[in-house]
Amino acid sequence: NAGVTQTPKFQVLKTGQSMTLQCAQDMNHNSMYWYRQDPGMGLRLIYYSASEGTTDKGEVPNGYNVSRLNKREFSLRLESAAPSQTSVYFCASQGNTEAFFGQGTRLTVV
Amino acid sequence: EDQVTQSPEALRLQEGESSSLNCSYTVSGLRGLFWYRQDPGKGPEFLFTLYSAGEEKEKERLKATLTKKESFLHITAPKPEDSATYLCAVQNDMRFGAGTRLTVKP
Repeated sequence: NAGVTQTPKFQVLKTGQSMTLQCAQDMNHNSMYWYRQDPGMGLRLIYYSASEGTTDKGEVPNGYNVSRLNKREFSLRLESAAPSQTSVYFCASQGNTEAFFGQGTRLTVV
Repeated sequence: EDQVTQSPEALRLQEGESSSLNCSYTVSGLRGLFWYRQDPGKGPEFLFTLYSAGEEKEKERLKATLTKKESFLHITAPKPEDSATYLCAVQNDMRFGAGTRLTVKP
């Protein structure tokens, strides 16, 4: 049982480049989330999707877009990467109670 | 706006030295409060869910409690393998605190 799978695990981008972070879950959960984690700041919510076909902004959405492709997949896109987006990104999925997290994507923008 | 605040930011304990981590929250109508453990380089791992004031949950050396304003994670006789960052979150909007980084020295 894979749970929540994120790809890639590591990525280095140049300023201005674009990329998409992929997330897939196999637990048939309705809700999915994208967080970023920076030192000393905990997990901050970027976007979430309460169900297939819906997405909403979280605490720090600027510079990001998301797509809930189907019930399993929720992707995060950086259209024009900036050094301030250097962070570790976590995807999570949630059924009725607790959320389950992927292993993270470590992104560096130079 | 909901707020979740954890203290202390970091805690260093000797093996066997019990202590508590605090998570205070400002949420209207709390649906549930989560505790997670996060090891370096990994995603958060679920520990407990608490739903109502007075509720307690236990797992090995960890016990989580909940009041109307805060939650505590009590660690009894910790071991070095308990070293990790502990995170709390409110279920209402999945907002997390900044975490407490726990180090247990042998």
